[in-house]
Amino acid sequence: EAGVAQSPRYKIIEKRQSVAFWCNPISGHATLYWYQQILGQGPKLLIQFQNNGVVDDSQLPKDRFSAERLKGVDSTLKIQPAKLEDSAVYLCASSSLGYGYTFGSGTRLTVV
Amino acid sequence: EDKVVQSPLSLVVHEGDTVTLNCSYEVTNFRSLLWYKQEKKAPTFLFMLTSSGIEKKSGRLSSILDKKELFSILNITATQTGDSAVYLCAVGVETSGSRLTFGEGTQLTVNP
Repeated sequence: EAGVAQSPRYKIIEKRQSVAFWCNPISGHATLYWYQQILGQGPKLLIQFQNNGVVDDSQLPKDRFSAERLKGVDSTLKIQPAKLEDSAVYLCASSSLGYGYTFGSGTRLTVV
Repeated sequence: EDKVVQSPLSLVVHEGDTVTLNCSYEVTNFRSLLWYKQEKKAPTFLFMLTSSGIEKKSGRLSSILDKKELFSILNITATQTGDSAVYLCAVGVETSGSRLTFGEGTQLTVNP
């Protein structure tokens, strides 16, 4: 089966610019997650979708981060405006009924 | 707040050594504990543990969970340079979709 696809692989932007990441989960996986992993730390959940509904966005900085999963498949995560501390790897993962958790290869964001 | 603590944070060994990585947790509504290996960006799945005292084994890697004392260990025997990576412990909880809470990871370096 195809894995979780993410793009772009790398992105460098200046602070205060905006950026968007895209994720295509494994076919049939109803649950999609976005994690932020700052260098030297474990991944931290930003937002969790069940189909196209948000289950948990308690750790999403909503003043600058937004995410959507309009048709219950692909998802985009946006940051506007970016701050230096947003430099991290953004990982998308999907699962079926909470099992079979699979991560994408991530997008490395550098904010300068 | 859910908490996962890994130790040590970093470890340097020689090829052929045996290592033990530790993970303790404090979460509500525990569902499962997972171990991942992260070499570049995407964490890759190693084990999922749900029951106490049952060892999971895959080649030179093994893991066990103690739900009474709230910890797990990951053992790697006869280490090889290819085992060098960050090892992440994550705990899944009984919520819709089962989000994961990660520890900070253990950076393992195996020298020839």
